[in-house]
Amino acid sequence: AQKVTQAQTEISVVEKEDVTLDCVYETRDTTYYLFWYKQPPSGELVFLIRRNSFDEQNEISGRYSWNFQKSTSSFNFTITASQVVDSAVYFCALSEGSNYQLIWGAGTKLIIKP
Amino acid sequence: DTAVSQTPKYLVTQMGNDKSIKCEQNLGHDTMYWYKQDSKKFLKIMFSYNNKELIINETVPNRFSPKSPDKAHLNLHINSLELGDSAVYFCASSQDIPGGTNEKLFFGSGTQLSVL
Repeated sequence: AQKVTQAQTEISVVEKEDVTLDCVYETRDTTYYLFWYKQPPSGELVFLIRRNSFDEQNEISGRYSWNFQKSTSSFNFTITASQVVDSAVYFCALSEGSNYQLIWGAGTKLIIKP
Repeated sequence: DTAVSQTPKYLVTQMGNDKSIKCEQNLGHDTMYWYKQDSKKFLKIMFSYNNKELIINETVPNRFSPKSPDKAHLNLHINSLELGDSAVYFCASSQDIPGGTNEKLFFGSGTQLSVL
């Protein structure tokens, strides 16, 4: 079974729409970390957020917000008022286990149309 | 200044050749990584070094050999290249080890390796 599932392979929306990218994870550990990274067309991965398993507070950073729900093992990412520059592949990742090795989801390609 | 720089950006070579990819970070980080991203964008860690010591060594063929001459550099040497090695290879660094409080990864721009 996949440890990190990003069920949406590709999402396409028109600029200014809100969009949510789903991430469901699987772990038996009580201490773990969740991440989101952005990979724009230029190719370089960019860190967006890291959240530890003991902090279920939602986080907002400008137009970006994250909803962490341990009850559903989800760590979803919402972009409000999307812009063309948000077009990228977004990866969710889980860090767990004895060496906290990062386990990556398959990524969601987000296309924002003007 | 580029924080994590890797060279070359593109590498096209024949099967059976040996090639190296270099990576340098100027962030003063202690931990460096090599990742492989396949054609479906799937990311998989290959190696991780902390202060020149190997801390993560995933199941990769022993044709792949990382070398860390100092904590600012982590090079990847690949022997006897195969078609399946074609991918984008990313170098990354972080201030802390995996699971540490400062685990944020900084990535290089990637090396597109094409084996013909």
